[in-house]
Amino acid sequence: AQKITQTQPGMFVQEKEAVTLDCTYDTSDQSYGLFWYKQPSSGEMIFLIYQGSYDEQNATEGRYSLNFQKARKSANLVISASQLGDSAMYFCAMSTNNAGNMLTFGGGTRLMVKP
Amino acid sequence: DVKVTQSSRYLVKRTGEKVFLECVQDMDHENMFWYRQDPGLGLRLIYFSYDVKMKEKGDIPEGYSVSREKKERFSLILESASTNQTSMYLCASSLGGQGASTQYFGPGTRLTVL
Repeated sequence: AQKITQTQPGMFVQEKEAVTLDCTYDTSDQSYGLFWYKQPSSGEMIFLIYQGSYDEQNATEGRYSLNFQKARKSANLVISASQLGDSAMYFCAMSTNNAGNMLTFGGGTRLMVKP
Repeated sequence: DVKVTQSSRYLVKRTGEKVFLECVQDMDHENMFWYRQDPGLGLRLIYFSYDVKMKEKGDIPEGYSVSREKKERFSLILESASTNQTSMYLCASSLGGQGASTQYFGPGTRLTVL
């Protein structure tokens, strides 16, 4: 069975600072993908970044980067230069081949950016 | 850009009504999904579909059915709405095939059953 754990229910960050959102995962599969989604108060789930289990380099997408530590089974999201519009819920998710590529979601972290 | 649309952002229905939630994607994706999201329970998969006229039960299919007559459209049906189906409903789509595939979500439908 797959499991995603996000241990930070809520976090504050000062505008323009960097912030790291934690995500640990558990799977016995060798091939899997890790995803981060952002959900603002409007409710839409917005895809941010993807990391494959065989990718050697950490994924980056603009101000988002994924700190992938395979041995520790962690996939933390780093947001650089936080903006007020980054205030939202953030979900870490995983899919594995053996689970039919279904997504397993973590419980989410609410990020609040202070001006 | 991938675009997933849902028929309504907000919906209010009465107990016992038949409710249709429509989802359309324009990226020729094979896979489509319906989730519900509730505070403290996270996202839970209701049904998914790998192809036209094909459907599979997710984690919480009770009280729901689905229809996929065309590749781009995936409908969620509440045969007889109940108050415990008040929730946020999210539709998603992704490419098919082997390997991890990003799911792209629609804007969501906030359904209230009175």
